[in-house]
Amino acid sequence: RKEVEQDPGPFNVPEGATVAFNCTYSNSASQSFFWYRQDCRKEPKLLMSVYSSGNEDGRFTAQLNRASQYISLLIRDSKLSDSATYLCVVLSNTGKLIFGQGTTLQVKP
Amino acid sequence: EAGVTQFPSHSVIEKGQTVTLRCDPISGHDNLYWYRRVMGKEIKFLLHFVKESKQDESGMPNNRFLAERTGGTYSTLKVQPAELEDSGVYFCASSQAPYEQYFGPGTRLTVT
Repeated sequence: RKEVEQDPGPFNVPEGATVAFNCTYSNSASQSFFWYRQDCRKEPKLLMSVYSSGNEDGRFTAQLNRASQYISLLIRDSKLSDSATYLCVVLSNTGKLIFGQGTTLQVKP
Repeated sequence: EAGVTQFPSHSVIEKGQTVTLRCDPISGHDNLYWYRRVMGKEIKFLLHFVKESKQDESGMPNNRFLAERTGGTYSTLKVQPAELEDSGVYFCASSQAPYEQYFGPGTRLTVT
């Protein structure tokens, strides 16, 4: 079983749509969680950290459910520029990042 | 402030040859990480330096891979001899604290 699992998609949505990505992690002792964004042939860039209380940054909302070991990312009012691969990432207790395979989002006009 | 830089951006070598990748972290960052993405797979951790010391090298695939960080500044990752399965994108990241890692643009390695 992979340490971090994501639905690879692709998710094809029209502009203005709301889209949600989900992710599960296997290590119940994990403490820190993130969503990274990766554009084609570019490096991963931190989109947002994920906290137990849930957190919002503009059109983006991240949620963490520790009991279910489940992380989500909600994007509202999708823009063409949101098209990218979204990576669910868990920080191990040794400081290394553990990545999911990524979910591809394509926003269409 | 300059970000993490990596050199070269692309490298095409033949099986059996040697390749050395370089990473320059953000100035002042003690933590330096190497990751790799093989086609069709997730990004995977290779190793972690704190200054010049190897903190964790549990992700290094085998002894054909050698990483160094002399003086605690830039790092090199040497693959010798390269095999076909070493092809992929090698990312370097640096950080002050582990949870905020900044990635370089990566080196795309193709072994033919």
